[in-house]
Amino acid sequence: AQSVTQPDIHITVSEGASLELRCNYSYGATPYLFWYVQSPGQGLQLLLKYFSGDTLVQGIKGFEAEFKRSQSSFNLRKPSVHWSDAAEYFCAVGVTSFQKLVFGTGTRLLVSP
Amino acid sequence: DGGITQSPKYLFRKEGQNVTLSCEQNLNHDAMYWYRQDPGQGLRLIYYSQIVNDFQKGDIAEGYSVSREKKESFPLTVTSAQKNPTAFYLCASSRTGEANYGYTFGSGTRLTVV
Repeated sequence: AQSVTQPDIHITVSEGASLELRCNYSYGATPYLFWYVQSPGQGLQLLLKYFSGDTLVQGIKGFEAEFKRSQSSFNLRKPSVHWSDAAEYFCAVGVTSFQKLVFGTGTRLLVSP
Repeated sequence: DGGITQSPKYLFRKEGQNVTLSCEQNLNHDAMYWYRQDPGQGLRLIYYSQIVNDFQKGDIAEGYSVSREKKESFPLTVTSAQKNPTAFYLCASSRTGEANYGYTFGSGTRLTVV
């Protein structure tokens, strides 16, 4: 069965420092991969998505992610974190045959001054 | 602007009561989804619908029911058979056949059993 693993439950980063959130997936075919962000009590907003082609994907708010097939990973990065980036981040994989997304358990990002 | 509207934002239910969560979209999307979110468990799929008058069970459908009589609307009923209904519920939509292009989410309904 398809699955997504986000190994870090919480991450704390100093404002201005770089960020990397990890995501590993298990899926037999070519994956469709997504990163979403959720502010407290709100819905999820799409940050970026990967379908094919260039393995480095640019998203909104200065985020990027790199698809590495050999490692089954799709890690999210940002070179300089802002306090407003504090939120929960979800990685998801698209399951074509059932036309639905499978989500990881999320990583909560805390930004320290 | 197009989007998805979930109502109410907060909902309280007494033991043994059924409650219905509303989800309306004006994006002209064919597919709609209901997810349940619990701390530390991510999002789990309850039901989804790809066309009007058709829907499929997700991973945790027991104790829930849905209807899809209109393209714009996909209400979720939490029945008394759902033993632990307190959670955050998220509705989403996408174009048919293009779920892999990503969902648009509503802002959620927080349901609490009192």
